[in-house]
Amino acid sequence: NAGVTQTPKFQVLKTGQSMTLQCAQDMNHNSMYWYRQDPGMGLRLIYYSASEGTTDKGEVPNGYNVSRLNKREFSLRLESAAPSQTSVYFCASSPGQGTDTQYFGPGTRLTVL
Amino acid sequence: KNQVEQSPQSLIILEGKNCTLQCNYTVSPFSNLRWYKQDTGRGPVSLTIMTFSENTKSNGRYTATLDADTKQSSLHITASQLSDSASYICVVTDSRDSNYQLIWGAGTKLIIKP
Repeated sequence: NAGVTQTPKFQVLKTGQSMTLQCAQDMNHNSMYWYRQDPGMGLRLIYYSASEGTTDKGEVPNGYNVSRLNKREFSLRLESAAPSQTSVYFCASSPGQGTDTQYFGPGTRLTVL
Repeated sequence: KNQVEQSPQSLIILEGKNCTLQCNYTVSPFSNLRWYKQDTGRGPVSLTIMTFSENTKSNGRYTATLDADTKQSSLHITASQLSDSASYICVVTDSRDSNYQLIWGAGTKLIIKP
């Protein structure tokens, strides 16, 4: 099993460009999450999907959109990238919500110039 | 505001030595507290999980303790190895939130020197 995979690993964008970060899990988990990690700060939840067909905002959703394409895949889209979105983005999945352990992908390092 | 504070921010120790990392939280009530290990350039991996009624939980050379009265947790690493070099993150689950929001600490960066 690959667990949680993310593409791309690295990306450089110019301000105003758009892009989609892809995430897939092969553990048959119901819940999936997108986080950003910035230096000196804890992970912050952007969006999550408790189950296929549902998505909800997290702590920092502005500037992002998500799509739960199916049970395996959960994508994060930046419509008009801004330098403040320079960060490392992690996708995670868990069997259910609540107290279940989350399993993380390797991350995407995004730089917006 | 619910917070999770970790100390120290960074720590350097020699291989073979023990160390203890601290986590103070204000999340209340909470359902569980976890410690994650994050290697450089990788995603976090869960090490231990404790409910509010547990005092200690071990995972090999890692032992986590919890004092719910003082809202403090610690992670003790015994006989450190070079592979222990990583960031260690304390995470508390806010049980007031129907979605059980996770509150993440900023982590302690641990460096093990040979």
